[in-house]
Parts: sequence; C-alpha cells; structure tokens
Amino acid sequence: DQQVKQNSPSLSVQEGRISILNCDYTNSMFDYFLWYKKYPAEGPTFLISISSIKDKNEDGRFTVFLNKSAKHLSLHIVPSQPGDSAVYFCAASSLIQGAQKLVFGQGTRLTINP
Amino acid sequence: KAGVTQTPRYLIKTRGQQVTLSCSPISGHRSVSWYQQTPGQGLQFLFEYFSETQRNKGNFPGRFSGRQFSNSRSEMNVSTLELGDSALYLCASSLRDFPYVSTDTQYFGPGTRLTVL
Repeated sequence: DQQVKQNSPSLSVQEGRISILNCDYTNSMFDYFLWYKKYPAEGPTFLISISSIKDKNEDGRFTVFLNKSAKHLSLHIVPSQPGDSAVYFCAASSLIQGAQKLVFGQGTRLTINP
Repeated sequence: KAGVTQTPRYLIKTRGQQVTLSCSPISGHRSVSWYQQTPGQGLQFLFEYFSETQRNKGNFPGRFSGRQFSNSRSEMNVSTLELGDSALYLCASSLRDFPYVSTDTQYFGPGTRLTVL
C-alpha cells in the first residue's frame, strides 16, 4: 500500500527552464509535506515544506504547491540549474498517537541538461 | 552548527552476524528517527525515539531494534543479519518535542551503507 506516489521515475529539463516534479498521496490524515533532494551515497537534504493549511510555499527558486482536494503536491524549480540534477523525494507526515512518521515517495531523478 | 552524523559510513558483515549503527543528532534536537533505503522499497521508516523512549515503529521484524541515550544520541541494532538487510540506513533528527502538537522538519545524516554477504 503505497500512500505516497511519485509516478515519474525520471525527468529531463533544459537548463534555465522550469522543472515540475509531482507527487500524489492517498492518506487524508497527512498534515505536513516535504521535499528532499538526494545525491548518491548521501542522506536526503531538506528543500522545502508545506503545511496542510496552506496551498503554496515559496523559497527562492523553489515553490511547492498543495492541492488537498486532489491529494496532489508539486515542486517547481525556476530557473533550473545543472546543480539541481539529483533524485527528489516527496514525503508526507502525520501524527500517530502523538508521534510523527514520514512516508516517502519512490523518488524522481531530475536531470538538467546544459 | 554541525549536522547529523552517523558512524560508521560503510560496513560489511556476513549473514547471521549482528551490527550496531550510531547516530548523533543536531545539537538541541531531541527526536531521532531511523530509515532504511533500498532500491526496491525506497525509504522506509524504522522507528523514532524521544527522551530515550521509542515513540513510533515501522513494519520491520524484531531483529531491528534501537535505543536512545540521555544526550539524544541513538544507536540502531540489527541481529541475525540477512542478505536483504543490505541497505543505506539513514538517521534523521528534528526539534520536535513530545507530546507533539505538530509535525516538523527532519534533517538527515549521510547514512551508513551496510552490505551483508
């Protein structure tokens, strides 16, 4: 039962253009969503997050959009840079008996082409 | 401020052995969580500790256990290793306080790459 899904295993974007990474979830109890970036043999690096009470959060080149009715969130990177090439994970969080648990998607490998 | 540190970074063991991994959270962070990353299953939650108590546990067998010390450092132990335990084990810490009233960002360490032969 995959509660968080990233349906695109890979995405290729030209440098300077917009990268859009998508994520869908099924559990309506999720109340906090995060995007992480990961390089091989390293731990995930936190990028940006959004609470379920918001529909948009922006931080520099990164914007996360949340559509609760569709149970969908997306990460926009504008403009895309070569250093953005990595695997991106979306994660969803909920409180279970007072404790938190992160559920991750399978990841999308983003490649920025010069 | 130093990030989350994990030791060792790489480990090779044989089937049937046991292993202990260590994690030091970001200074001031009291909540520590452990995750397993494999190519087939992705990132999966193992357990979370706060104030030396396990607060939450994922769907892993009892061979996987952990503990947290009074200085918030945490260890994870896997006994009777199996080939399928080969994975990247990640530790994450956060500022969350218990009982949690909201969720918070978790910051990850570089991971320990465990290979079981």
